Amino acid sequence: KAGVTQTPRYLIKTRGQQVTLSCSPISGHRSVSWYQQTPGQGLQFLFEYFSETQRNKGNFPGRFSGRQFSNSRSEMNVSTLELGDSALYLCASSLWDLNNSPLHFGNGTRLTVT
Amino acid sequence: SQQGEEDPQALSIQEGENATMNCSYKTSINNLQWYRQNSGRGLVHLILIRSNEREKHSGRLRVTLDTSKKSSSLLITASRAADTASYFCAPAPSNFGNEKLTFGTGTRLTIIP
Repeated sequence: KAGVTQTPRYLIKTRGQQVTLSCSPISGHRSVSWYQQTPGQGLQFLFEYFSETQRNKGNFPGRFSGRQFSNSRSEMNVSTLELGDSALYLCASSLWDLNNSPLHFGNGTRLTVT
Repeated sequence: SQQGEEDPQALSIQEGENATMNCSYKTSINNLQWYRQNSGRGLVHLILIRSNEREKHSGRLRVTLDTSKKSSSLLITASRAADTASYFCAPAPSNFGNEKLTFGTGTRLTIIP
């Protein structure tokens, strides 16, 4: 079974631009979560989608948004980029719910904002 | 939020020694999960221990859970250079409908050859 795939692997953007990151979960997994990882803040939860609905949301500004498609693939979008958005963005999928199935992470998208 | 706090923040040991990392959390959990992250890559799930379990083994890994103290520990025996990584615990909350895993800042483990 293929793992979680995130594209692109690296991205360089300029302040003020917007960016879209993509995540393809493991086949059959319905839940997709997104995390931001920075050296200072560690791993921060962004949001989780399940069957195309946002089920949970972290404490990030509205510039961060996401969606999930009917095939469970997910995208996250960051608008009006700021220097502080530079981070490793990780996507994770799980089979059903966190009570019974762990998260499977992709290798992330490294976003650099200049 | 139900975030795990790992301790210590950093740990360096000689290859072959055992490594112990601890995790504390605040509220009721359904299970607690441990993950490993190699530099610049995604997290890899190591082990899941349910709230009604006290100890679980997987290869060289041993995890304990004490729900009365709201703490867990991860023991890696006979460490190898390849164990060098950051380790995170993630308590899974027991309140249905709020199922998101949050992570602490991790324990950075360095195995010295």
